[in-house]
Amino acid sequence: NAGVTQTPKFRILKIGQSMTLQCTQDMNHNYMYWYRQDPGMGLKLIYYSVGAGITDKGEVPNGYNVSRSTTEDFPLRLELAAPSQTSVYFCASRGRGPDGYTFGSGTRLTVV
Amino acid sequence: ELKVEQNPLFLSMQEGKNYTIYCNYSTTSDRLYWYRQDPGKSLESLFVLLSNGAVKQEGRLMASLDTKARLSTLHITAAVHDLSATYFCAVDAGNQFYFGTGTSLTVIP
Repeated sequence: NAGVTQTPKFRILKIGQSMTLQCTQDMNHNYMYWYRQDPGMGLKLIYYSVGAGITDKGEVPNGYNVSRSTTEDFPLRLELAAPSQTSVYFCASRGRGPDGYTFGSGTRLTVV
Repeated sequence: ELKVEQNPLFLSMQEGKNYTIYCNYSTTSDRLYWYRQDPGKSLESLFVLLSNGAVKQEGRLMASLDTKARLSTLHITAAVHDLSATYFCAVDAGNQFYFGTGTSLTVIP
């Protein structure tokens, strides 16, 4: 199994550009999450989803949008990129059981 | 909102020494998780603690959970350089986990 796959791994954006970070999981997990991690810091929840068609805001949703049209995919959209969005973005998923999150490998985004 | 506090935030220890990382949380939960993150890498699951009194061990690391005290500990025995990483605890709050701030561990030869 591939687990949680994130693309791209690295990206440089100019201020004002938009992009979509892709996240796909093949474990049939209901729950999916987007976190950002600034250098030397912990994880901040951006958005999460408890199932297809359902999304909810986390701690830091401003400047981002998500959709969950299928169980497998949970893309994160950045509109009008700003330098404050320079960060590493992690997607994660989990099932309904006691196992914890499975994390993707991350996307390192720089906005210049 | 659930608060999760880890301490210390930074830990520098000599090889061969023992130390404990603490994870306190502010509300009732029976599930707590520990993760390891190497520099520039993603988070890797270390331990899953699912009930009061749960204890898990893997190599030089041992994790425990006291749900009544709302406290989990990660004990390091006879540290080696390979354990240098950032360690996060996370508390299951239903639809999401709440993560601690992380403990950056450096093991010095």
